[in-house]
Amino acid sequence: DGGITQSPKYLFRKEGQNVTLSCEQNLNHDAMYWYRQDPGQGLRLIYYSQIVNDFQKGDIAEGYSVSREKKESFPLTVTSAQKNPTAFYLCASSNDRDSNQPQHFGDGTRLSIL
Amino acid sequence: QQPVQSPQAVILREGEDAVINCSSSKALYSVHWYRQKHGEAPVFLMILLKGGEQKGHDKISASFNEKKQQSSLYLTASQLSYSGTYFCGTEILPGNMLTFGGGTRLMVKP
Repeated sequence: DGGITQSPKYLFRKEGQNVTLSCEQNLNHDAMYWYRQDPGQGLRLIYYSQIVNDFQKGDIAEGYSVSREKKESFPLTVTSAQKNPTAFYLCASSNDRDSNQPQHFGDGTRLSIL
Repeated sequence: QQPVQSPQAVILREGEDAVINCSSSKALYSVHWYRQKHGEAPVFLMILLKGGEQKGHDKISASFNEKKQQSSLYLTASQLSYSGTYFCGTEILPGNMLTFGGGTRLMVKP
């Protein structure tokens, strides 16, 4: 079955540490996205990529970095510069050739500070 | 720039109806609707394009008023499974990024 896989489901970060969240999709989608969700809040865009080897900052990119070396993979690194990383992180993908297509979401990674 | 959703929360009895609104200060190309259960991924419901169309999906339907830059989601004869948080995502230009509203928490009680 096609879908988006995020790992790990839960992640703990020590102060000063970088951590990487994995996102893999087998839907053959061109576009991929990373969102941050805080308790009781909506989704805020961190980074997005519409094609391999290219990505753009979203609304809250500071303290985060991404790469898009393969079409199916879009890992997110939460750096030590992100002082308040505790949140629910969601990865999504869509067929960007047609903007009428929905975004498909992974099950998310919940990140906490130790 | 973030669309405004109203109400923020609503409690229903099974079988009752509800309307959730999503308003933008900018001209919109499309509105996407998603439902998220607690701790889970958002699930796609429907997309409405500029042109004021209305769509339906079982007992959930939506409309898009281009003049008011507002979309409304209608839940008819609500079921327990409708509980969750509903988000609208708005798109200003084709292929542009979605901007999500703050969500509407819906609880359906027996």
